[in-house]
Order: sequence, then C-alpha cells, then structure tokens
Amino acid sequence: NAGVMQNPRHLVRRRGQEARLRCSPMKGHSHVYWYRQLPEEGLKFMVYLQKENIIDESGMPKERFSAEFPKEGPSILRIQQVVRGDSAAYFCASSPTTGVREKLFFGSGTQLSVL
Amino acid sequence: GESVGLHLPTLSVQEGDNSIINCAYSNSASDYFIWYKQESGKGPQFIIDIRSNMDKRQGQRVTVLLNKTVKHLSLQIAATQPGDSAVYFCAENIDPKIQGAQKLVFGQGTRLTINP
Repeated sequence: NAGVMQNPRHLVRRRGQEARLRCSPMKGHSHVYWYRQLPEEGLKFMVYLQKENIIDESGMPKERFSAEFPKEGPSILRIQQVVRGDSAAYFCASSPTTGVREKLFFGSGTQLSVL
Repeated sequence: GESVGLHLPTLSVQEGDNSIINCAYSNSASDYFIWYKQESGKGPQFIIDIRSNMDKRQGQRVTVLLNKTVKHLSLQIAATQPGDSAVYFCAENIDPKIQGAQKLVFGQGTRLTINP
C-alpha cells in the first residue's frame, strides 16, 4: 500500500511563474490536507479538502493560492505569480473517510524554491 | 526585508539514555494532541496521540503526558537510539467540531540529537 505521494519533490520557479504541486492520497483516503513549512518552523495548515469539495481554506492566502481535489486524479495546490516568500516545503496529508478522528499520513513534501 | 527563522530548541542525549521533550499548547478547547517525528527531507511521521480525557498514554518506548491545567504536553523516549535523532513536533487539533478533520496547529519543534 503506497503512502501519500507528492510530486515533484523539488520545484524551482522564477518570480511571476506558476507552481503546481500534486498530491495523491493513500488508497482509500478521501480527505486531503495541505500544510506549509518554513525552515526551522512547524507546519502551518493551509486547506482541507474532500473529493470535489473545499471544506476549510482558512489557512490559504487570499490571493494567488488555490487548491482542488477532483473526482479523478490527484489533489493540486496551485500558486500563481510566485514570489520569493512562497519558497517553502509544502506537505500533503491524507486520512480515511470515517467518522472517527484518524491519524494523518504525510507525504515527503515538495520543496519550492523561487528565484 | 527577509525574515529570519528562529533556531529550533535542541536537546542532546547519550545513546541509551531517556529523553523528555516538552511542548506548550495554546487552545484550551483542543481535545486531541499528537506528537510527530520529522527526519531531514521527509514528512512528519506519527508517533503517538492522546485525547484530552487522558493524562498519560504509552506506546513502544514512548510516553506522552498531558497536563491540561497548564496546557503542557511532554514526550518521553526511553533508551534512545541513533535512529531517534530528528525534529519532534507536538500538534493540537484546534477544530474538533468537524468530526474526522485534522486541522492541526504545530508547535515550533525540538531537534533531538543522540550522541554515541
């Protein structure tokens, strides 16, 4: 059973370009979370999605950032017109569809570097 | 200008010794807490969790203690091994109203180094 898969592992963009980060949750998981981590800091919640629905995006910047989790395919975190401050590690996590609070399983992250 | 990241608190222990990592949390309403281990270049890995109706929970070589009065968590690792070297984060679930959701707030983290 493969874990949470994120790609690419490393992404380099110039200021003003777009960054697209992909996350495939664990098999059978339909809850996806995106977190951002700056160096030497803890992870910061960005957005929580279920299939085709954004449940909580209170941690997402109001502009340039968007997320989706379509019926088919991976979840995508999209950052338009990147700036240097967007440089960070972006982690995706997933959990199963149950009514009980479940553990989060994290991917290995995408390290975004903005030049 | 650029912001400068804070240096992580560090803890060095001798291999075989016990270690205790502490964490203060912020939200009195949080009812679920988790400790994660993060190795360099990897995502956080679940270690142990505890609900607010408990004050202690034990796993294999790890124990989590919860003191709700002072909003404090600790992680005890027994007989540390070289593979325990990592950054350890506590996290609290700040939105327990959404059943099944894991909207977590992470602490700053502590870097644990095991000396041979």
